[in-house]
Amino acid sequence: DGGITQSPKYLFRKEGQNVTLSCEQNLNHDAMYWYRQDPGQGLRLIYYSQIVNDFQKGDIAEGYSVSREKKESFPLTVTSAQKNPTAFYLCASSLDVVAYEQYFGPGTRLTVT
Amino acid sequence: GEDVEQSLFLSVREGDSSVINCTYTDSSSTYLYWYKQEPGAGLQLLTYIFSNMDMKQDQRLTVLLNKKDKHLSLRIADTQTGDSAIYFCAEGGEAGGTSYGKLTFGQGTILTVHP
Repeated sequence: DGGITQSPKYLFRKEGQNVTLSCEQNLNHDAMYWYRQDPGQGLRLIYYSQIVNDFQKGDIAEGYSVSREKKESFPLTVTSAQKNPTAFYLCASSLDVVAYEQYFGPGTRLTVT
Repeated sequence: GEDVEQSLFLSVREGDSSVINCTYTDSSSTYLYWYKQEPGAGLQLLTYIFSNMDMKQDQRLTVLLNKKDKHLSLRIADTQTGDSAIYFCAEGGEAGGTSYGKLTFGQGTILTVHP
């Protein structure tokens, strides 16, 4: 089955630790995205990548980092510099940046205490 | 910057129609989308409309676009309890514009369907 996987579904960390969220897709999509979702708010774009070895900051990139070494994978690191890291994180992909449909993964809920 | 607004809650009875409304500010939006999110899950694209259209129908779903007023609505006919979810409106930027390839989402409308 083709799709996007995110792991783990729930993640707990202590304040001050960096944590990396996994996102893998087997849809052969060029573009991948990371969003953050907070209660009562829409999704906000953290980073996106149009192609391997290239990525751009979204609207709320501060305190986050990404890499795109393989087409299938777009991991997101939440660093200790992120002031409010507790949130639901969603990864998405699309055929390319032109394509109108973004496919979403199931999300990872990160709790930092 | 771009902004997309939705009302937060909608409650309907099973079998009735639901209408979820959305307003946006970016007049250069090329595509407008409706996504559905079930509890604890990712988003699923329900339907989309190009900005040069004013209506699109897809089974129980009808999308209406008033480009002059920058108003988008999603009507769900014969609403079922399984339609209970959060519905997000989103707009995609114009080709060549600074927001090209990025989606701007509304806050989401929580639809509750009562038996």
